[in-house]
Amino acid sequence: DAKTTQPPSMDCAEGRAANLPCNHSTISGNEYVYWYRQIHSQGPQYIIHGLKNNETNEMASLIITEDRKSSTLILPHATLRDTAVYYCIVRAPPTTSGTYKYIFGTGTRLKVLA
Amino acid sequence: DTEVTQTPKHLVMGMTNKKSLKCEQHMGHRAMYWYKQKAKKPPELMFVYSYEKLSINESVPSRFSPECPNSSLLNLHLHALQPEDSALYLCASSQDRASSREKLFFGSGTQLSVL
Repeated sequence: DAKTTQPPSMDCAEGRAANLPCNHSTISGNEYVYWYRQIHSQGPQYIIHGLKNNETNEMASLIITEDRKSSTLILPHATLRDTAVYYCIVRAPPTTSGTYKYIFGTGTRLKVLA
Repeated sequence: DTEVTQTPKHLVMGMTNKKSLKCEQHMGHRAMYWYKQKAKKPPELMFVYSYEKLSINESVPSRFSPECPNSSLLNLHLHALQPEDSALYLCASSQDRASSREKLFFGSGTQLSVL
């Protein structure tokens, strides 16, 4: 199963873009990259995911490098409520029983500063 | 309904107690997951059920016993736990299909303290 590496912590000024990197150098061709965030011991919340192409939704943008060995989550205008732990996750190919495993990285603790 | 509901939210138990954690979803998802999360650590996968059958067991000790009574419910039975088992237990569900829209939905978790 591919592993992910993230910086343990980052700060970002309120209103500025937050760029959170993730390294997944052992990712295989059919493994998706997911981003979730977790606020104060609540359940993780889905943000965005992608396979090869860059993706954008109402919460964030996901930039995946052409070789797929790394990606960056972009929160375009960070607010204080974006303070959370952000997890980069690789979804492994299905097992022989057809089940997917979602393996969490170590996470980045993002602090948005007023 | 896009919720995964976990009960109880908090649980304190002694090492000789037997208790159960419950998880419920009504999104028609066919896969359900248990994760364990220690403080300041990422969630660790414990079990996965697919179509009501145990599909993945990540070498979890037998004092944790999962059960999937039907496609909407997932239980985790606890017996003879140790203080180091104290953690946030998270339930999640997904459609479990080879779809680009496939993703996990998480409950808010049960905070377990073993005394």
